[in-house]
Amino acid sequence: GQNIDQPTEMTATEGAIVQINCTYQTSGFNGLFWYQQHAGEAPTFLSYNVLDGLEEKGRFSSFLSRSKGYSYLLLKELQMKDSASYLCAVRYNFNKFYFGSGTKLNVKP
Amino acid sequence: DVKVTQSSRYLVKRTGEKVFLECVQDMDHENMFWYRQDPGLGLRLIYFSYDVKMKEKGDIPEGYSVSREKKERFSLILESASTNQTSMYLCASSSSRMSENTEAFFGQGTRLTVV
Repeated sequence: GQNIDQPTEMTATEGAIVQINCTYQTSGFNGLFWYQQHAGEAPTFLSYNVLDGLEEKGRFSSFLSRSKGYSYLLLKELQMKDSASYLCAVRYNFNKFYFGSGTKLNVKP
Repeated sequence: DVKVTQSSRYLVKRTGEKVFLECVQDMDHENMFWYRQDPGLGLRLIYFSYDVKMKEKGDIPEGYSVSREKKERFSLILESASTNQTSMYLCASSSSRMSENTEAFFGQGTRLTVV
């Protein structure tokens, strides 16, 4: 892998906001992606950042700082169905995708 | 709608068998990938292909080989299956063209058990 690091597990309350961080190796960077994966299912695409700053998509936002090798996924107004694993993925050299180990998010009532 | 289809959802094979996992995509994507996913280890890249007959090793290619004879199809081969290859295998594809949809699209996964 390319040293893509994210927390293993997080817990948050329904209706709250949660931020999932991701750090990565910057050499060859060509885009950062966030995926959601429910247990036993394939990952589904959530967001994409290639330039610095915040991308907003409804309840989900993703931020990128290329110089720091840092991204976060922000989930607002948490719902029970948001309980899943969230995968940070980095595309290197325009084609290879490498993934972090994933952050398991538990949303409690 | 982008479709990446893996030939089997569940597979049980015996130690020492030669195993073929097939993946087909219908989006004319140049890039195709095979990952395995294990608890606590995330998705690990086994092999990557960027064109027909072209391949590159990922992080964990030992015990595996691949074949890409046609653009839409990427096969993963376990030469002699072993119990430590029991895992969820995920195929993905992506475009190398600089367009809006540059993310990787995944198949539904194949859960392989080697006994």
